[in-house]
Amino acid sequence: TQLLEQSPQFLSIQEGENLTVYCNSSSVFSSLQWYRQEPGEGPVLLVTVVTGGEVKKLKRLTFQFGDARKDSSLHITAAQPGDTGLYLCAGRDIGSSNTGKLIFGQGTTLQVKP
Amino acid sequence: DTGVSQNPRHKITKRGQNVTFRCDPISEHNRLYWYRQTLGQGPEFLTYFQNEAQLEKSRLLSDRFSAERPKGSFSTLEIQRTEQGDSAMYLCASSLPGWNEQFFGPGTRLTVL
Repeated sequence: TQLLEQSPQFLSIQEGENLTVYCNSSSVFSSLQWYRQEPGEGPVLLVTVVTGGEVKKLKRLTFQFGDARKDSSLHITAAQPGDTGLYLCAGRDIGSSNTGKLIFGQGTTLQVKP
Repeated sequence: DTGVSQNPRHKITKRGQNVTFRCDPISEHNRLYWYRQTLGQGPEFLTYFQNEAQLEKSRLLSDRFSAERPKGSFSTLEIQRTEQGDSAMYLCASSLPGWNEQFFGPGTRLTVL
């Protein structure tokens, strides 16, 4: 069974600080996705990483896929209160005969205080 | 493109009652997924449709749960004889075939009293 573990689970920081969220697995994933979810809403896709070692940037967010495609990280520079939310990593379950179902980490709750 | 929609957004019911949720995917998307999310956790896969065919069900989907997608467009998820442990956010997502990205709806929050 493929599992994704995220760390830390909770993070409370001041506006302007930097942070990194990690997503780790002992299994290889064909791709990993990062979502952001606000309370009472569905997850919103931020990025998909596909190639080992890939780095993608989205404004102040930097996403990296590990060389072995078993882990990923999300780095936020100069966090702002609008970054507050639940950050989820998700990988496509390669054992599911191409259904495309996703396995999610347990999420990282980020609170950015003004 | 109006995105994935789900109705109702919130449902409060008493234990033992039946409930039904509806999901309308993005119109060109033939893949449809249901997930369940409890507080403080990531979503867990429940079931998957390709067009009208239900191709995979999780072991989380007990016999009290049934899902349909009769014409390959909208889908319904029914829970019979609800239990307090069914309280969760039920999320629907859709995607194109062979496409990595799944697009999620806003979810239906179920509270079983």
